Amino acid sequence: EIVLTQSPVTLSLSPGERATLSCRASQSVNSNYLAWYQQKPGQAPRLLIYGASSRATGIPDRFSGSGSGTDFTLTISRLEPEDFAVYYCQQYRGSPYTFGQGTKLEIK
Amino acid sequence: QVQLVQSGAEVKKPGASARLSCKASGETFRNNAMHWVRQAPGQGLEWMGWINGGNGNTWNSEKFEGRISITRDTSASTVYLDLYSLRIEDTAVYFCARGFTVVQPAALGYWGQGTLVTVSS
Repeated sequence: EIVLTQSPVTLSLSPGERATLSCRASQSVNSNYLAWYQQKPGQAPRLLIYGASSRATGIPDRFSGSGSGTDFTLTISRLEPEDFAVYYCQQYRGSPYTFGQGTKLEIK
Repeated sequence: QVQLVQSGAEVKKPGASARLSCKASGETFRNNAMHWVRQAPGQGLEWMGWINGGNGNTWNSEKFEGRISITRDTSASTVYLDLYSLRIEDTAVYFCARGFTVVQPAALGYWGQGTLVTVSS
């Protein structure tokens, strides 16, 4: 099983700042098979990024993904108030398709 | 517009079974993968398994082997998750989700609203 470790666990920033979230895999993940999700309280997750760097439909371009191998990054260039949420990475290179434990992005 | 509508909340006793449903509309799921993901209270996301909407083949996480079954009814555009031998620790919100595209079947692009399953004696 591929274990994903996200850091930091909590990130405190202000609107307008840049957010950098990390996801590290216990073994190599083909960059085609890494996704990022946003989840707000009481809601289902929303797909932001797939294939490590491709934005899903309707996702603003302030969200970007990068990385390969075992290290991946989600960057939010300028935080909007609606961006404060929990973010998860997911690998789907090999079953089981595991998620990271999440990073909570909170308003400073 | 793809929409996934899940069945309502369930309360079960330990050892019981439950059947959750997920009805797809707006686009056939025959060409897509349908997944089940769960989230225990205050916890993260846990992938459980998926079914090929076309041929019905399934892949389950080994963690749930023997305790879940994923099936589909193409005529009803509905996918089912059967949970067996429920335990207290199975209390969670269960989400169905559809693969984003045919070439990205395990990037979960569309989600149901979730079904809360509470297991309590």
